[in-house]
Amino acid sequence: DAGITQSPRHKVTETGTPVTLRCHQTENHRYMYWYRQDPGHGLRLIHYSYGVKDTDKGEVSDGYSVSRSKTEDFLLTLESATSSQTSVYFCAIGRSQETQYFGPGTRLLVL
Amino acid sequence: KNEVEQSPQNLTAQEGEFITINCSYSVGISALHWLQQHPGGGIVSLFMLSSGKKKHGRLIATINIQEKHSSLHITASHPRDSAVYICAVLPNTGNQFYFGTGTSLTVIP
Repeated sequence: DAGITQSPRHKVTETGTPVTLRCHQTENHRYMYWYRQDPGHGLRLIHYSYGVKDTDKGEVSDGYSVSRSKTEDFLLTLESATSSQTSVYFCAIGRSQETQYFGPGTRLLVL
Repeated sequence: KNEVEQSPQNLTAQEGEFITINCSYSVGISALHWLQQHPGGGIVSLFMLSSGKKKHGRLIATINIQEKHSSLHITASHPRDSAVYICAVLPNTGNQFYFGTGTSLTVIP
């Protein structure tokens, strides 16, 4: 398995609170991605990074921000969590745009 | 709009059966992945394809670029193959993957 971890693995929070999810890699891969997985929708890209401090939006970026201050860490922040952001969040990394290795996922419940 | 369509959505098979899962997409692509996700588990890339065919153990993946279609075959299926199989494509003109909604496979002993 690629060296990729996510923290926390489970989180329950209340509407309106800020939440930060962390993705950490030990592979020195250039590309990092945040996805959410919801029934009936499949995986959808939230944000991605193509290098330190280089990020761009995916198809479902509203309500989310990201930061990548060093190669190994990619943070996803929900500034003010809403119930519609209850989901399973996956981080992925890639040496190139064509490759994808997924983290174990984070289950987030917003009450 | 989902640019990736998978069929079937759900599949139940007897142990030992030959299984085929299909993926169709609407745009030119530079890469296609077949992913496996066990219940409550993480996601693993089984194959990355840009042309032709790949084989790993009992799994075979094929892609027809002209027809914009890929298939995942499982020979001599086993209950441990029970999982959701997801097709993902990277468009030629894009920089993000698009994913199918997955095929849920159950293999009965």
